[in-house]
Amino acid sequence: AQSVTQLDSHVSVSEGTPVLLRCNYSSSYSPSLFWYVQHPNKGLQLLLKYTSAATLVKGINGFEAEFKKSETSFHLTKPSAHMSDAAEYFCVVSENYGQNFVFGPGTRLSVLP
Amino acid sequence: EAGVAQSPRYKIIEKRQSVAFWCNPISGHATLYWYQQILGQGPKLLIQFQNNGVVDDSQLPKDRFSAERLKGVDSTLKIQPAKLEDSAVYLCASSLESSGGSIRETQYFGPGTRLLVL
Repeated sequence: AQSVTQLDSHVSVSEGTPVLLRCNYSSSYSPSLFWYVQHPNKGLQLLLKYTSAATLVKGINGFEAEFKKSETSFHLTKPSAHMSDAAEYFCVVSENYGQNFVFGPGTRLSVLP
Repeated sequence: EAGVAQSPRYKIIEKRQSVAFWCNPISGHATLYWYQQILGQGPKLLIQFQNNGVVDDSQLPKDRFSAERLKGVDSTLKIQPAKLEDSAVYLCASSLESSGGSIRETQYFGPGTRLLVL
């Protein structure tokens, strides 16, 4: 069965500095990988996804992630943090072409002025 | 396009009572998911429907939880009887299909129903 590890439960950065949110996965098959963001009292929103095409995936709001099979990682990055990026971020792995979605525990991103 | 609709948004009940949640997915989406998100944790898939058939309900506590999607459109999740540990946000999501194709795997989430069991 697949699993997801998000190495940091909380990341704090200053506005304008880079963001790195780490995600490692375990999967028996070629996985699909996703990053979702959850702002307080709002629904989950898809940031980006990897589904066996280009390993560097660009998403919304300037975020991107790189799939590294050898490291079983799918870290999320952004060159410059904005105050509006403060939220909870979830890494998700899926096997079997859209079944068996497993969410990671989440990383809370704080952005300091 | 309208998003995934859920109701109610909030519900407070006492333990051993029953409760039901409703979800209406995005029009044309064949796949519907119910998740449970306990405070401080990631969402956990409870059940996945493809049209009106169950694809995966391996993590659904079937002694107290039930779900149906009779006409392959909207869905109801029921808890009977509720326990204190059922306090959580119940999320509904939908996607076009769950097999093949990158676009079809994207799940769109509703705002959730926040349940508090006293």
